[in-house]
Amino acid sequence: NAGVTQTPKFQVLKTGQSMTLQCAQDMNHNSMYWYRQDPGMGLRLIYYSASEGTTDKGEVPNGYNVSRLNKREFSLRLESAAPSQTSVYFCASRPDHGKEKLFFGSGTQLSVL
Amino acid sequence: SQQGEEDPQALSIQEGENATMNCSYKTSINNLQWYRQNSGRGLVHLILIRSNEREKHSGRLRVTLDTSKKSSSLLITASRAADTASYFCAPMNSGYSTLTFGKGTMLLVSP
Repeated sequence: NAGVTQTPKFQVLKTGQSMTLQCAQDMNHNSMYWYRQDPGMGLRLIYYSASEGTTDKGEVPNGYNVSRLNKREFSLRLESAAPSQTSVYFCASRPDHGKEKLFFGSGTQLSVL
Repeated sequence: SQQGEEDPQALSIQEGENATMNCSYKTSINNLQWYRQNSGRGLVHLILIRSNEREKHSGRLRVTLDTSKKSSSLLITASRAADTASYFCAPMNSGYSTLTFGKGTMLLVSP
């Protein structure tokens, strides 16, 4: 049972480049989340999806777009990367929106030069 | 959703000692969760305590909740070097379904 899988694990971009961070879960969870973690800032919610076909903004959505491709996959896209988006990105899932426990992936470390 | 605030920000102890970290929050909750993050890894759920519970145990972990003070504490007994990690609390409001995490407590357990 792989749980929550994120790809890639590391990525370096130049300012203005675009990329998509991939997340997939094999636990049949309905809800999925994208967080970013910066030193001294804790984790901040970027976007979430309560169910397939729905997405909602979190605390820091500017500069990002998301797609809930199907129940398993939730991708995060940076259309024009900025140095301020240098961070570690975590995907998480939960069985149902409103159920408590989150399961996290191992993260993607992104550097924007 | 509301954010918990962990205290202290950093804690350094010797193996075998107990580690206590605290969490404060602002508004009423449905439950409060504690997570651990090892360096370079994702968060892992440790324990959940509901608003009608005062204390909960899981192995070497003991969590208390005082809703009148809007605070919780996580006690790790007989700490091991492998307990070195950051610990986060996440209060969950009734009706809210996203979790917000604070800056965490960084625990260092030295052999």
